[in-house]
Amino acid sequence: QQPVQSPQAVILREGEDAVINCSSSKALYSVHWYRQKHGEAPVFLMILLKGGEQKGHEKISASFNEKKQQSSLYLTASQLSYSGTYFCGTEIPGANNLFFGTGTRLTVIP
Amino acid sequence: NAGVTQTPKFQVLKTGQSMTLQCAQDMNHEYMSWYRQDPGMGLRLIHYSVGAGITDQGEVPNGYNVSRSTTEDFPLRLLSAAPSQTSVYFCASSHRGPTYEQYFGPGTRLTVT
Repeated sequence: QQPVQSPQAVILREGEDAVINCSSSKALYSVHWYRQKHGEAPVFLMILLKGGEQKGHEKISASFNEKKQQSSLYLTASQLSYSGTYFCGTEIPGANNLFFGTGTRLTVIP
Repeated sequence: NAGVTQTPKFQVLKTGQSMTLQCAQDMNHEYMSWYRQDPGMGLRLIHYSVGAGITDQGEVPNGYNVSRSTTEDFPLRLLSAAPSQTSVYFCASSHRGPTYEQYFGPGTRLTVT
């Protein structure tokens, strides 16, 4: 039930773009994205509901393809502050909790 | 607003000892939960509560106990600590449930020797 995230880690230079993928073997109601900086608590980024809508704030956006049971997080023109580990959490029918992926570690260097 | 607070920040226990991890929130959230985070494993749900007096098990509940006597507090009890419980523990709260934005506490790093 745990979603699979890819890649496991990525290193970017400032200004470069990145895509983080989250894939589930189960049908999904929603996908949630969180970012966790080293030694800190996870912080909510966004929720995507069924319907394939793309959401975003500033230069971080995401899409949700419910037929493929996948979500992608897009980081454009990356900044140093984007460094951290990104987790997706998936909501499946019949479960009263999220299942989190193992995370993608993003490092942005000058 | 302090948000979600957790104590202690760090704890070392010997195998077989018991202890309680404290969690409190001041946002009047109905839903509270406990996760553990292990390297390469992501966040796994231990127990959760949908309101005062109501608790339920998550994915990995064995060895842990919870209670919810008030909306604000949701302590996690380790009954007899084992090395496998060495982990970082996060408490989280949400206005309605896990499928809404969750606010995480700063975490408790627990080592069991």
